[in-house]
Amino acid sequence: QKEVEQDPGPLSVPEGAIVSLNCTYSNSAFQYFMWYRQYSRKGPELLMYTYSSGNKEDGRFTAQVDKSSKYISLFIRDSQPSDSATYLCAMSPLTQGGSEKLVFGKGTKLTVNP
Amino acid sequence: GAVVSQHPSRVICKSGTSVKIECRSLDFQATTMFWYRQFPKQSLMLMATSNEGSKATYEQGVEKDKFLINHASLTLSTLTVTSAHPEDSSFYICSARQGDNQPQHFGDGTRLSIL
Repeated sequence: QKEVEQDPGPLSVPEGAIVSLNCTYSNSAFQYFMWYRQYSRKGPELLMYTYSSGNKEDGRFTAQVDKSSKYISLFIRDSQPSDSATYLCAMSPLTQGGSEKLVFGKGTKLTVNP
Repeated sequence: GAVVSQHPSRVICKSGTSVKIECRSLDFQATTMFWYRQFPKQSLMLMATSNEGSKATYEQGVEKDKFLINHASLTLSTLTVTSAHPEDSSFYICSARQGDNQPQHFGDGTRLSIL
């Protein structure tokens, strides 16, 4: 079993739809969770990060973490064609000395159709 | 805030050439920088972790003499691909982090093509 599982999609939705992106993980040491958006031929852009279970909202984006189920989600409300990109979840343990490495999901390719 | 600049964005060169890629944190001091490689339609593969003023830590299978990393200041790290060959062609991405348990911010990547 891989440490982080993410459905690669592709996922295609109409403009205005609510999008749900998900990752599951197996390592209970993971305490720090991030979502990145990567446009084609560009580097990943940090969207959200959180250390705790529960919801965190930022504009049209909501990150949800359920540590008991080892499951994280990113919701995008009122999706726009400009949201079309690959979305990567990433996570790591919290450590001293900065030795922790991010473990990435494979990414979900999202297309929002006008 | 948290802008990371990577240069150049695209390199095409002949086999045997050495190529240097720069990664700069523009508006913060980065205690740690990371270098990744990404193959088409795949996720990021960590190559090495670099702390300012110390030697980089390479991941298993990454040749340190092939991929030279220098992190000379809190805002600059460089990756030099020495004597590059076609199999080194890839998308190389750097990231920088301000401190322990802080998120990584990524540059826009360098597409390297070795002919």
